Amino acid sequence: ENVLTQFPGTLSLSPGERATLSCRASQSVSSSYLVWYQQKPGQAPRLLIYGASNRATGIPDRFSGSGSGTDFTLTISRLEPEDFAMYYCQHYGRSPRYSFGQGTKLEIK
Amino acid sequence: EVQLVESGGGLVQPGGSLRLTCAASGFTFTNYALNWVRQVPGKGLEWISFISGISQTTYYADSVKGRFAISRDNAKNSVYLQMNSLRVEDTAIYYCARDVSDYSGGTYYHIRFDPWGQGTLVTVSS
Repeated sequence: ENVLTQFPGTLSLSPGERATLSCRASQSVSSSYLVWYQQKPGQAPRLLIYGASNRATGIPDRFSGSGSGTDFTLTISRLEPEDFAMYYCQHYGRSPRYSFGQGTKLEIK
Repeated sequence: EVQLVESGGGLVQPGGSLRLTCAASGFTFTNYALNWVRQVPGKGLEWISFISGISQTTYYADSVKGRFAISRDNAKNSVYLQMNSLRVEDTAIYYCARDVSDYSGGTYYHIRFDPWGQGTLVTVSS
């Protein structure tokens, strides 16, 4: 099983700052299958980035994804108040078919 | 507008059964696979089941294999999750999510979940 580990667990920043969230896989994964979601309290997750670096429809360009192999990064260039939320990475694999990281909480400092 | 709406959650005793429904609209239902993902309140996301569009191939997480069954009715644009032998640890919000991918050269890639339904809460308690 390919385990995804996200860090930090909690990231405390101020609006306007740059956020860097990491997702590390225990085994190399294809960047084609690495996805990022955002989840706000009381809401369902929302697709942000797929294929490691492709923004989903309607996602602002302050969000970007990068990485390959075992290390992937979600970057938010200048934080807006609405960006403070939980972020999850996800991978499509063999068994289990899909796995999620445990999440990073991005909170206002 | 592409939309997924879950229903059927509620309170059930340990060992009991429940069937969740995910009603889809706004897209050609048979062209897409669907998934169920659950989330213990305040915790992370756990994928639990997948069903393909036409062939209805299914996959399950080990945590629910043999107890849960996913199915779909393409005439009703709906996916179901039959949950049997429920345990306290099955208490969670259950989301359905559309499986989207690109296809080229015989390979599916850029697989992602989009959109997600709003979720339905299942509570297993005596």
